[in-house]
Amino acid sequence: DGGITQSPKYLFRKEGQNVTLSCEQNLNHDAMYWYRQDPGQGLRLIYYSQIVNDFQKGDIAEGYSVSREKKESFPLTVTSAQKNPTAFYLCASSSGTGGWSYTFGSGTRLTVV
Amino acid sequence: GIQVEQSPPDLILQEGANSTLRCNFSDSVNNLQWFHQNPWGQLINLFYIPSGTKQNGRLSATTVATERYSLLYISSSQTTDSGVYFCAVGTYGGSQGNLIFGKGTKLSVKP
Repeated sequence: DGGITQSPKYLFRKEGQNVTLSCEQNLNHDAMYWYRQDPGQGLRLIYYSQIVNDFQKGDIAEGYSVSREKKESFPLTVTSAQKNPTAFYLCASSSGTGGWSYTFGSGTRLTVV
Repeated sequence: GIQVEQSPPDLILQEGANSTLRCNFSDSVNNLQWFHQNPWGQLINLFYIPSGTKQNGRLSATTVATERYSLLYISSSQTTDSGVYFCAVGTYGGSQGNLIFGKGTKLSVKP
């Protein structure tokens, strides 16, 4: 079945460490996105990519980095510069057909210890 | 930037009841989607509805773009409908496909 796979489901990070969250899709979607969700809040856009080897900052990109070397993959690195990284991270993809309808992964819950 | 406001923030229903969730937005949109987030965090796309009305089983949605609001109707609610419902919009000035999310309506359906 087609879908988006995020890993790991839970991740613990020590202060000062960089960590990378994986996102893979087999939907043949051109666009991919990373969102952050804090408790009781909506989703906020971190980075997005509409084509391989190109990506753009979203509303809260500081302290994060991404790459898009393959159409299927859009990993997110949470760097030590991100002051408050504890959150739920969601990856999504969409295509231009169907009105850019989104498909989400199941999320990664990151906790700083 | 565009503001997306959802109401009510919390809603408790008895199983079998009907409900209406509202989404107001402050500017013209070229994309509007409704999502359901289950208690485990998974988000499912319910409707792509920048204008007009759509129905899918017990759920239906209406967007009145000229008045800048959208409504999500849930009929004969079931406990599995519990979770958070998000409205998200895309604007003409934004990049194609990017969505701005409201804070959601948390729905609890009691048996």
